[in-house]
Amino acid sequence: DQQVKQNSPSLSVQEGRISILNCDYTNSMFDYFLWYKKYPAEGPTFLISISSIKDKNEDGRFTVFLNKSAKHLSLHIVPSQPGDSAVYFCAASGGNTPLVFGKGTRLSVIA
Amino acid sequence: EAGVAQSPRYKIIEKRQSVAFWCNPISGHATLYWYQQILGQGPKLLIQFQNNGVVDDSQLPKDRFSAERLKGVDSTLKIQPAKLEDSAVYLCASSIGTSLYNEQFFGPGTRLTVL
Repeated sequence: DQQVKQNSPSLSVQEGRISILNCDYTNSMFDYFLWYKKYPAEGPTFLISISSIKDKNEDGRFTVFLNKSAKHLSLHIVPSQPGDSAVYFCAASGGNTPLVFGKGTRLSVIA
Repeated sequence: EAGVAQSPRYKIIEKRQSVAFWCNPISGHATLYWYQQILGQGPKLLIQFQNNGVVDDSQLPKDRFSAERLKGVDSTLKIQPAKLEDSAVYLCASSIGTSLYNEQFFGPGTRLTVL
């Protein structure tokens, strides 16, 4: 039972354009959502988070949007840069449920 | 500040053999996590320690996996005996507190291949 779903395994975007990565969840108890970025041969690193009391959180080029009614969140990267090429994991937690990760989306930013 | 250290980085063993992984968390971090990441999947929590006590080991296959954090600092994860399906990257993470809202810092992982 996948509680956190990232339905796009990969995404290619041109440098300078917007990258939009999507994530859906099923567990209504989730109240905290995170995005992690992972480069090859490294561990995931925290990128940005959002609590369920908000619908948007922004940090520089990265913005996360949360739609609780649709159980959907998205990560926007504007403008996209070649160094953003990595695997992005959506994760969620809440109640007594520890962090649950999606399968990841591989983003390729083409120069 | 030094990050989470893990060793070895790579390990190849045959099925039914035993293997152990080591993790040294960030200094002062009370909580330590072990995750299993199978190829094409996201990390899955195996066990969570707070200091040297187990908080959550509900997803640890206890018939073959064991973990300890004896002095509340570094930790070892053992698999005995290994199966083919244990091939994965084993990630260690630590956080300063015990709240689910504390940021988790990940080590580089140990890639295990079981032949």
